[in-house]
Amino acid sequence: KNQVEQSPQSLIILEGKNCTLQCNYTVSPFSNLRWYKQDTGRGPVSLTIMTFSENTKSNGRYTATLDADTKQSSLHITASQLSDSASYICVVTVYNQGGKLIFGQGTELSVKP
Amino acid sequence: DTGVSQNPRHKITKRGQNVTFRCDPISEHNRLYWYRQTLGQGPEFLTYFQNEAQLEKSRLLSDRFSAERPKGSFSTLEIQRTEQGDSAMYLCASSGPGQGMHLNTEAFFGQGTRLTVV
Repeated sequence: KNQVEQSPQSLIILEGKNCTLQCNYTVSPFSNLRWYKQDTGRGPVSLTIMTFSENTKSNGRYTATLDADTKQSSLHITASQLSDSASYICVVTVYNQGGKLIFGQGTELSVKP
Repeated sequence: DTGVSQNPRHKITKRGQNVTFRCDPISEHNRLYWYRQTLGQGPEFLTYFQNEAQLEKSRLLSDRFSAERPKGSFSTLEIQRTEQGDSAMYLCASSGPGQGMHLNTEAFFGQGTRLTVV
C-alpha cells in the first residue's frame, strides 16, 4: 500500500532555532517527492521537489534531502522565524499514474518567540 | 490572478442539501485534482482529470459525489444529500503537461473550499 508517514506529528521550537522534519514513504513506483507548507485554512504551497536522482535541494532557509534507497526524506529549516509556523506536508508522486499525489499527515510546526 | 481559484471559500449547509464547488485551474494546466482534508490530517485524493477525462476516482468518492470537467478547463465537485461527515476542506490542484512520465512539474493548489454541514 502506498503510504507516506511523517514525524514528529507536532513540534514546538524557539524563534531562531533550527529543526528537521522526517518523512518515510512506501510509494512504488516512485516519481518524485515534494515538501509543501500549509498555513491554517489555506492551500498547500510547494517548497521543494526532488526526483530519485536528487539528494538535496534548497529553497532559502529550507533544505530537503532524499535517500531513495531507504525511502526517506527530511526537511531542515534554518534560523526559524515566527512565520514558519505551519503544517509541513511530505508528498510523493506515483510514477505513471498521471501525477497522483500521496500525502503524509503533516508535521505541525509552531515557532515561539 | 493566475493561480488556482476555488469558489466559494466557505460553505455552510444543512444536512441533506446538495452543494457544488468550482475550481478554475491555471490556464495552461491540463491536469486537475480534487482532494479532501479534515482537521489535522493530510489531504486525501478524491479524483483526477486529464483535460476533460476523469482518469481516476478514489473509493472515498461515494455515489453522492460527482466531479466534472466538461471542457477541460474549470471543474465542479458536487456533493448530494450532504452528511455531517462531509465537513472538510476541499482542495483543488492543477499541474502542467510535464516532461515524459515523471511529471516533475509542480502541482499548484487553490485556497480550498471549507464545507460545514450542520
